[in-house]
Amino acid sequence: QKEVEQNSGPLSVPEGAIASLNCTYSDRVSQSFFWYRQYSGKSPELIMSIYSNGDKEDGRFTAQLNKASQYVSLLIRDSQPSDSATYLCAVSGGYQKVTFGTGTKLQVIP
Amino acid sequence: DADVTQTPRNRITKTGKRIMLECSQTKGHDRMYWYRQDPGLGLRLIYYSFDVKDINKGEISDGYSVSRQAQAKFSLSLESAIPNQTALYFCATSDFPRWGAAGGEETQYFGPGTRLLVL
Repeated sequence: QKEVEQNSGPLSVPEGAIASLNCTYSDRVSQSFFWYRQYSGKSPELIMSIYSNGDKEDGRFTAQLNKASQYVSLLIRDSQPSDSATYLCAVSGGYQKVTFGTGTKLQVIP
Repeated sequence: DADVTQTPRNRITKTGKRIMLECSQTKGHDRMYWYRQDPGLGLRLIYYSFDVKDINKGEISDGYSVSRQAQAKFSLSLESAIPNQTALYFCATSDFPRWGAAGGEETQYFGPGTRLLVL
C-alpha cells in the first residue's frame, strides 16, 4: 500500500464548477498535510496546508482533513481554466520527511 | 531573484558520465531535499539534509550522492549516469520548524527543476 494515494485522473470539470480532489494516507501519526499545484514542466507550489481536523478555507480553495478516516481533500470552487494542473497531496509526520502522492491531473473545460 | 535556484536547468549526458546538479537557496532554511519526478511515479525523495552536518538517504538513493557545502548549498551527484536516471530533478528547502497554532508547521519551497537526459 502506498503511503499517500491519489487518483491520477484526469478529473474533468466545467468552468465554474467545484472540483473535488481526494487523498488518503496510511501513517496514522501524520501531523501535517499539504496540497501543491504543479503546472506541466514547472515546480510544485504550495497552495494549502492543514494541520487540524475540519475545514480550512483560502479564497476559492478549501482543504478538508479527517484524521480518523485518514483522508484529506481539496475543493476548488468556481474552477477556472487556469486551475488546470496536477495537484499533489503531501503528508508529513512533523519531524520526518514529507511524502508526496503521485498527483491528480485536473482539467477545467471552458 | 529566485529564492531556490538550480543549475543546470537542462542537461544531456551519456551513460557512465559523472554529473553534478547544484542547488542554492537564499531563504536561510536548514532543511534541503533532492527529489526526482517521473511520469506516473510522482515525487520521490533521493536525499535530504536537516543541517550541514546531517545528511540522510531517501527512498531511492542508490546511484546518487550528495554534498551539503554550506547551509545554502546542496549538490546532487550521479556517479555513473544510466538511462533510467533520466528524469526531472527538484531541489527543495523547508522552513521547519515553524511554530504555528497547530504546533510544528512546515512549508517546502521548490527550485525550478533540472531536466536530465541520459543517453
